[in-house]
Amino acid sequence: EPEVTQTPSHQVTQMGQEVILRCVPISNHLYFYWYRQILGQKVEFLVSFYNNEISEKSEIFDDQFSVERPDGSNFTLKIRSTKLEDSAMYFCASSPLAGDSYEQYFGPGTRLTVT
Amino acid sequence: QQQVKQSPQSLIVQKGGISIINCAYENTAFDYFPWYQQFPGKGPALLIAIRPDVSEKKEGRFTISFNKSAKQFSLHIMDSQPGDSATYFCAASNRGNTPLVFGKGTRLSVIA
Repeated sequence: EPEVTQTPSHQVTQMGQEVILRCVPISNHLYFYWYRQILGQKVEFLVSFYNNEISEKSEIFDDQFSVERPDGSNFTLKIRSTKLEDSAMYFCASSPLAGDSYEQYFGPGTRLTVT
Repeated sequence: QQQVKQSPQSLIVQKGGISIINCAYENTAFDYFPWYQQFPGKGPALLIAIRPDVSEKKEGRFTISFNKSAKQFSLHIMDSQPGDSATYFCAASNRGNTPLVFGKGTRLSVIA
């Protein structure tokens, strides 16, 4: 069964450093998302991406964040200068482009630890 | 307006019992209501979802009940098993391919 994959599974970085989190969405999906989950809290939306551009973003997704689809398979989230409060699980999700299909499928996540 | 309120925060159920988790929403534009199951260290996995044109949807031991007038929906897990022990999140979105708004989650423990 196709699945969303994410790398790395765990990233430790120092405050102020740049990190890039990588995702490979399900191959025939066209909508991509990043969510994050701070330990013990609910899952929060960061950004959605369609047709090579951001379609929606939350107030969490400030100028420190960027997303990119550098090739036909990868989808990346970059945090330019990490802060302690960026420590969280980051989940990539993808969804097919189909009129009645709202299903979003999540990857296993990348645990980001900022020290 | 964009919140989804979920209760209870935690739930302990005997093996074979029924687990019931409730969610409420305010935004009447929401028209898709999925439930996700999350095991420790894993991503949320889509369990079952409902659209507001039906009041109930059943898949195996899992049933969503939906009350449009009350703006509430719930997950029922029949014959709960220890393997069902996980955190369950309800969510909502208001049109296709838009961000999901999640509830805060319910940690379910099924004890033998």
